[in-house]
Amino acid sequence: QSVLTQPPSVSAAPGQSVTISCSGTNSNIGNNYVSWYQQFPGTAPKLLIYDNYKRPSEIPDRFSGSKSGTSATLGISGLQTGDEADYFCAAWDRTLNPRCVFGGGTRLTVL
Amino acid sequence: EAQLVESGGGLVTPGGSLRLSCVGSGFTFKSYSMNWVRQAPGKGLEWVSSISGSSTYIYYGDSVKGRFTTSRDDAVNSLYLQMDSLRADDTATYYCASNNDFWTEGYMDVWGKGTTVTVSS
Repeated sequence: QSVLTQPPSVSAAPGQSVTISCSGTNSNIGNNYVSWYQQFPGTAPKLLIYDNYKRPSEIPDRFSGSKSGTSATLGISGLQTGDEADYFCAAWDRTLNPRCVFGGGTRLTVL
Repeated sequence: EAQLVESGGGLVTPGGSLRLSCVGSGFTFKSYSMNWVRQAPGKGLEWVSSISGSSTYIYYGDSVKGRFTTSRDDAVNSLYLQMDSLRADDTATYYCASNNDFWTEGYMDVWGKGTTVTVSS
């Protein structure tokens, strides 16, 4: 059971938009930055979004991030078949001892 | 280009030990905190441990606390994970990843390709 909650899967057609939610608590998302990672099967994760909404320079602006309260959202517009991957949210959690917590991951299918 | 390369994975029997290594290049290794993240077959990402620059702070996930030890040697741009008392549920691909700053609480911007650990009799 992951600390951050994501839907197991989402799907949409090419060209459409999709959002992936990530729900947490005040000890993690509510008071810390959220990052998002993209992972293709058999490969390492790749940073997609950091500090809630910022994109590394190589990430296209079709990918966006937002945060409100204890939830965060990854948005992908203009879906391409090459976007089919697993997406994970993450945040630091400061309870007794600091730890990084991940969502369980969301498999995106581009129909 | 920043790069991380893990090594040391393999097959180990339950109760055994293994030491993973991660070598960084293309960036100032000593200036950044480092992480170990693992992924069991067909499962999601699980944070294992983080170590700050200068090894000032070291944190562990509950599932490995007391069994795993993280260290770094900035002289050779290396991160280590000593894994003892290994269990079947430690079977996973282990990734090292660098944080964006000196302290532990940041985002993981560079990842290695991973090394696979299998715990089985």
